[in-house]
Amino acid sequence: QVQLQESGPGLVKPSETLSLTCTVSGGSISSYYWSWVRQPPGKGLEWIGYIYYSGSTNSNPSLKSRVTISVDTSKNQFSLKLSSMTAADTAIYFCARAELGYYFDFWGQGTLVTVSS
Amino acid sequence: DIVMTQSPDSLAVSLGERATINCKSSQSVLYSSNNKNYLAWYQQKPGQPPKLLIYWASTRESGVPDRFSGSGSGAEFNLTISSLQAEDVAVYSCQQYYRSPPTFGQGTRLEIK
Repeated sequence: QVQLQESGPGLVKPSETLSLTCTVSGGSISSYYWSWVRQPPGKGLEWIGYIYYSGSTNSNPSLKSRVTISVDTSKNQFSLKLSSMTAADTAIYFCARAELGYYFDFWGQGTLVTVSS
Repeated sequence: DIVMTQSPDSLAVSLGERATINCKSSQSVLYSSNNKNYLAWYQQKPGQPPKLLIYWASTRESGVPDRFSGSGSGAEFNLTISSLQAEDVAVYSCQQYYRSPPTFGQGTRLEIK
């Protein structure tokens, strides 16, 4: 059974860059799309972007200029960097596997990131 | 972006009764070349990540009880729970993957009456 686990800081200052890593266990990171999805407290889900194991990426145009997603197949990890953080970026950040790049069949538990000085 | 709108925002149903949640997309998510609807449903319980229930609008994910079913085509879809159980209390969300960026509905909160 594939398991995903997010790691990273729970508090980020305004204007700084958020860095999160997702570690995949129970299966290989190869041959799948891997995504980041976030959920502001009490609100709906927003797709941030995905990376294919080969390194090709796609991200939400609403965030595109701020998003960098990378993969390290040797560590079975993929990572998110989101720059110029503001209070509006406060959310639970989930990593997930995107079957065929379409729907999300495995999810991490999520990590709450708060943007505050 | 394709906008996904769910109704109702919240729903209270008695145990053992049927619950139906509606999801409408701002454009069709039916791909004519393969006749597939690019629509998924998720269940999210408090403090947990979303759980995939249904994909391709009506295909149940492995391990999902058969009281959960998805229906609809084009731009209107339903998630039906045939006989509500206490463990079904959750927020349910639809998601389109027809066009990037994938987008989600706002969620429907399902409670016990």
